[in-house]
Amino acid sequence: DIQMTQSPSSVSASVGDRVTITCRASQGIGKWLAWYQQKPGKAPTLLIYDTSTLQSGVPSRFSGTGSGTDFTLTISSLQPEDFATYYCQQAKSFPSTFGPGTKVD
Amino acid sequence: QPQLQESGPGLVKPSETLSLTCTVSGASISSNSPSYYWGWIRQPPGKGLEWIGSIHHWGTTYYNPSLKSRVTISTDTSSNQFSLNLNSLIDADTAVYYCARHMLVDGNGGLGYWGPGTLVTVSS
Repeated sequence: DIQMTQSPSSVSASVGDRVTITCRASQGIGKWLAWYQQKPGKAPTLLIYDTSTLQSGVPSRFSGTGSGTDFTLTISSLQPEDFATYYCQQAKSFPSTFGPGTKVD
Repeated sequence: QPQLQESGPGLVKPSETLSLTCTVSGASISSNSPSYYWGWIRQPPGKGLEWIGSIHHWGTTYYNPSLKSRVTISTDTSSNQFSLNLNSLIDADTAVYYCARHMLVDGNGGLGYWGPGTLVTVSS
């Protein structure tokens, strides 16, 4: 099975900061990587799929890059509503796996 | 845009079986054009997301290897629902359980549509 890791586990940032989160897969997954945002008490929401495609309605300050085993999520200018936990997920095949999450506070 | 809603008991006893249902509106789980996988995910309090399993209305199912011996996911196309059964419950099964729809036609592709989640507590 494909294992996912994320770094850092948490990041302290301020409004306007550029934030980068890294996700690594234990084996190559091509472009099949998804990113989610989760706020306390809410269901996760899909931000990015296929490594770099923004889900409808997601602001352009979010971007994703990578391929194979190494991926990044970047928030170009952190906004107050972006303080949340972010998860990556390998979306190539089943069984599917999530990264452990990165809390942005 | 599909909308999903989980339902089921909020409290179950250890060693018993949890049964949850996900009701889908705005889309048919039995659609063949296009067709998608429908999944269950859980999140213990204060912890990360864990994929439980996914099903296609053709009957193909995939399960998390760590839960496979205790999990069954099924569909009820007449009611446009899919269900999760998890047996031999232990305290560690306490979690918010989500249902969701995959993005890729006939594949994974990530989970684009989620229910709000339902908290299940395992306790005697």
